[in-house]
Amino acid sequence: ETGVTQTPRHLVMGMTNKKSLKCEQHLGHNAMYWYKQSAKKPLELMFVYSLEERVENNSVPSRFSPECPNSSHLFLHLHTLQPEDSALYLCASSQNLHPGRGTDTQYFGPGTRLTVL
Amino acid sequence: ILNVEQSPQSLHVQEGDSTNFTCSFPSSNFYALHWYRWETAKSPEALFVMTLNGDEKKKGRISATLNTKEGYSYLYIKGSQPEDSATYLCAFTDSWGKLQFGAGTQVVVTP
Repeated sequence: ETGVTQTPRHLVMGMTNKKSLKCEQHLGHNAMYWYKQSAKKPLELMFVYSLEERVENNSVPSRFSPECPNSSHLFLHLHTLQPEDSALYLCASSQNLHPGRGTDTQYFGPGTRLTVL
Repeated sequence: ILNVEQSPQSLHVQEGDSTNFTCSFPSSNFYALHWYRWETAKSPEALFVMTLNGDEKKKGRISATLNTKEGYSYLYIKGSQPEDSATYLCAFTDSWGKLQFGAGTQVVVTP
């Protein structure tokens, strides 16, 4: 399998549930990202990992907990979410994270559509 | 301009017609400008990365231009086809290489 994959594609959860989103990239990249897209809004960067170390936490509530066990896998652990957290969650990867360059293309997965009841 | 802005938000194009739309971005501290095409239920797909003022890139019937001094980029679709229907996203890169996205222009091409 190639590219960036995400599972599950759809998730419905209650506010007291705990669930995890999984992202896997088969591109040999060193940087991985979580984005959130709410309806009619731009993609919003949540977390950035470079070489398995978190380099960015964009003021995301602690009910979202990322994990990057190796350069190919990225998880987003969810607990006690709110209905306003319902959104499309996209994972992406790039060859590297280049301070001062920013030219690396990011490759995206298809996203997980999350609904919080 | 502090954020990335795209206009129009949506547009309808007749098959065979050409169209274009705009991405505006902060002109200071510019590093790169990315364009993506995002079809419904699929992954956003990279189209272009542009870095130099005056850059022009082309991929098939789609092309893009870049003006870093005034902070805008145009995306052009020549002879639109139904398969061009998608949301087109632009993203501005800051010094850390993080992408700041616009909200997108949704293009609907009708036969």
